[in-house]
Amino acid sequence: SQTIHQWPATLVQPVGSPLSLECTVEGTSNPNLYWYRQAAGRGLQLLFYSVGIGQISSEVPQNLSASRPQDRQFILSSKKLLLSDSGFYLCAWREGQTTNEKLFFGSGTQLSVL
Amino acid sequence: AQSVTQLDSHVSVSEGTPVLLRCNYSSSYSPSLFWYVQHPNKGLQLLLKYTSAATLVKGINGFEAEFKKSETSFHLTKPSAHMSDAAEYFCVVSGFSSGGYNKLIFGAGTRLAVHP
Repeated sequence: SQTIHQWPATLVQPVGSPLSLECTVEGTSNPNLYWYRQAAGRGLQLLFYSVGIGQISSEVPQNLSASRPQDRQFILSSKKLLLSDSGFYLCAWREGQTTNEKLFFGSGTQLSVL
Repeated sequence: AQSVTQLDSHVSVSEGTPVLLRCNYSSSYSPSLFWYVQHPNKGLQLLLKYTSAATLVKGINGFEAEFKKSETSFHLTKPSAHMSDAAEYFCVVSGFSSGGYNKLIFGAGTRLAVHP
């Protein structure tokens, strides 16, 4: 069966420090991978998506970047964190390109930038 | 462009009473619609989805939602609330990114509280 792993679960980082959140998927190949962020009082916002190795698309301009070094690995990074980067980050994957395919989510990372 | 609006940020019900979580959407084509639930300290879980088949969709844990095109609504209901239903619920509509890829657009969420 397919599983998705996301870590760490919680992270407290000072302003200006780097960030690396990792997400891996098991039990499937060539998944579509997504990074979402949930800010307080707002819905989930799509940050990045990837349809294959090395293929990254950004939805909104921001202080973050993403990479997909392997088929089932998706990494969210920042060189210097801002206070506004605080939030709950979710990795997700989907097998198909059609919109009626559901997303499978990781357990999330609560990031606090102080 | 597609968008989704959850009309209530908080809903509070007593155990055993009906639940109604309201959602309106905007889409220039026939959308796919979803409801996800997020329990504290857990990941998101799909409750149900509508993909242009039957307008009344049944999901897990006794939840159901009705797609009403004339009202552009997709409200989530349950006849009798249980304490374990306390969570945050997200209404989701399918859409397209600027790059032409499919993406899901989330509402702001409704926090459901269930009182004994």
